[in-house]
Amino acid sequence: RKEVEQDPGPFNVPEGATVAFNCTYSNSASQSFFWYRQDCRKEPKLLMSVYSSGNEDGRFTAQLNRASQYISLLIRDSKLSDSATYLCVVNKWGGGADGLTFGKGTHLIIQP
Amino acid sequence: SQTIHQWPATLVQPVGSPLSLECTVEGTSNPNLYWYRQAAGRGLQLLFYSVGIGQISSEVPQNLSASRPQDRQFILSSKKLLLSDSGFYLCAWSAGTGIATYEQYFGPGTRLTVT
Repeated sequence: RKEVEQDPGPFNVPEGATVAFNCTYSNSASQSFFWYRQDCRKEPKLLMSVYSSGNEDGRFTAQLNRASQYISLLIRDSKLSDSATYLCVVNKWGGGADGLTFGKGTHLIIQP
Repeated sequence: SQTIHQWPATLVQPVGSPLSLECTVEGTSNPNLYWYRQAAGRGLQLLFYSVGIGQISSEVPQNLSASRPQDRQFILSSKKLLLSDSGFYLCAWSAGTGIATYEQYFGPGTRLTVT
């Protein structure tokens, strides 16, 4: 099983629709989970951390399922500006100065 | 607020030439620093990380090296570049000990093409 696995897409979604991505991870010791957004030829930018209880930030909702080792990202009322690659990220080890393991990303295209 | 700088933004180098990429962070002290590489069509790969001056941990054996001569400066080097070193090099920082959130923030990156 890959460390972090995502459906690469692309997901072609009409503007205003709701879209959801899942991501699975293999390291049960991972403690921190994130979604990053990466625009073409740009650096990844932190979209949101994912907390055990789930969390919401505006149109974005993240969920964590430790038992099944997956995290999800839901985008409501999608905008053209949401078009990007969304990277699922988990920390590599259990603590200290931690590297992050990145999925290869899910490519989202919002169509007008 | 914290900012992270990388330079150069783009670089074209011949095989066998040396490399030096620099990263600096402003607005924070004692950050953890990281170098990642993203090859075309692939995910980000952690190359090195550092928890303090002179402290470097390598994740992937290769012809690259890293150094941290100052608290907020991180340098990626190579004596002789290979074609396979082409990619998008990203420096990142995270808060040091005491804040265990592990969130990392990336610089704008250096796009390296080895010819």
